[in-house]
Amino acid sequence: DAKTTQPPSMDCAEGRAANLPCNHSTISGNEYVYWYRQIHSQGPQYIIHGLKNNETNEMASLIITEDRKSSTLILPHATLRDTAVYYCIVRVAFSQGAQKLVFGQGTRLTINP
Amino acid sequence: EAQVTQNPRYLITVTGKKLTVTCSQNMNHEYMSWYRQDPGLGLRQIYYSMNVEVTDKGDVPEGYKVSRKEKRNFPLILESPSPNQTSLYFCASRYLTGNTEAFFGQGTRLTVV
Repeated sequence: DAKTTQPPSMDCAEGRAANLPCNHSTISGNEYVYWYRQIHSQGPQYIIHGLKNNETNEMASLIITEDRKSSTLILPHATLRDTAVYYCIVRVAFSQGAQKLVFGQGTRLTINP
Repeated sequence: EAQVTQNPRYLITVTGKKLTVTCSQNMNHEYMSWYRQDPGLGLRQIYYSMNVEVTDKGDVPEGYKVSRKEKRNFPLILESPSPNQTSLYFCASRYLTGNTEAFFGQGTRLTVV
């Protein structure tokens, strides 16, 4: 399974862009990078995913390096409600197409007023 | 609204008293799974199901049972709960194929005394 490495915690000022890094140096060519977040003890919430191109949606942008060994999740204008634990996950495929999400420890992002 | 619904949200029970945590999704997803979340250990998969009547063990299946008699429901059964099963539990669902996201329930906080 490809492993991911994230900083345990980060701070960001409200209204600024939050840039969350993730290393996944052992990622395979057909593995996607997914980002989820967990606010307090709620269920994890999907943010975005990508394979090799940069991706953007209404929540965030995902920048994947050309060698795919790392990526950055960008929250363009962070708000207090973005305070959460952010998980970078490489999707593991196994047995007949079933895929599981392997959660690491994530990055605890705190948005400060 | 697309959602995964777990019940109950909170439960305190005694050792050995059988209990069931229900999970229901309204998105016609084939794949459903259960996770437990413990401090320092992150989210770990307990069981998963790729479709009706198809279930398989995840990473930490001991002490748990599941069933998938209908596509929308995936209950988690603890036949004889023990204190080490005190945890926060999440149900998740997604389509089996394609690169879509998983939807998580709001969680069930279980305490076994």
